[in-house]
Amino acid sequence: DAKTTQPPSMDCAEGRAANLPCNHSTISGNEYVYWYRQIHSQGPQYIIHGLKNNETNEMASLIITEDRKSSTLILPHATLRDTAVYYCIVRPPSGGTASKLTFGTGTRLQVTL
Amino acid sequence: DVKVTQSSRYLVKRTGEKVFLECVQDMDHENMFWYRQDPGLGLRLIYFSYDVKMKEKGDIPEGYSVSREKKERFSLILESASTNQTSMYLCASSLGRLGRNTIYFGEGSWLTVV
Repeated sequence: DAKTTQPPSMDCAEGRAANLPCNHSTISGNEYVYWYRQIHSQGPQYIIHGLKNNETNEMASLIITEDRKSSTLILPHATLRDTAVYYCIVRPPSGGTASKLTFGTGTRLQVTL
Repeated sequence: DVKVTQSSRYLVKRTGEKVFLECVQDMDHENMFWYRQDPGLGLRLIYFSYDVKMKEKGDIPEGYSVSREKKERFSLILESASTNQTSMYLCASSLGRLGRNTIYFGEGSWLTVV
């Protein structure tokens, strides 16, 4: 399975866009990029996922580079409640490992006033 | 919205006790999972189930068993709790087995074994 690399921490001012990068240079052409976040003491919350195209939902946007070797999660207007650890995960399209989410160390996003 | 509900948020049990962690999902999902999360070790899969009465071992099944008698409910059982099972336990579910099927998590159950 492709591994991911994320910066350990980032800061963002409230109201500004938070751009969280993820490197997945060994991703295969049919593997999905997923983003989750985890607020302290709570279960991981699904944010968004994509395969090749950029995606947007009510929480965030996901920008995947054309070569698919990296992606960026964008929280357009960060609030204090977005302070959390954000995980970028690559999942195969099928097979047993598609069910085995592997969370790395993630990026700890601190949103400040 | 998908709702995965874990019955207990915080539990304290004694060594040797039998512990039941219950999980219910309301989205008619086929697949359900139990993970545990520990600092520095990340998320580790204990057991998963693709259908009622079916179960498969994950990466760390030792000391655990599971039960899935109904589609919406997946129980994790610690037959004889030990202190090294102190952890946060996460239940999850997904519609199917494929990579495009999002896995949704519950709020987590913090278990302390004393």
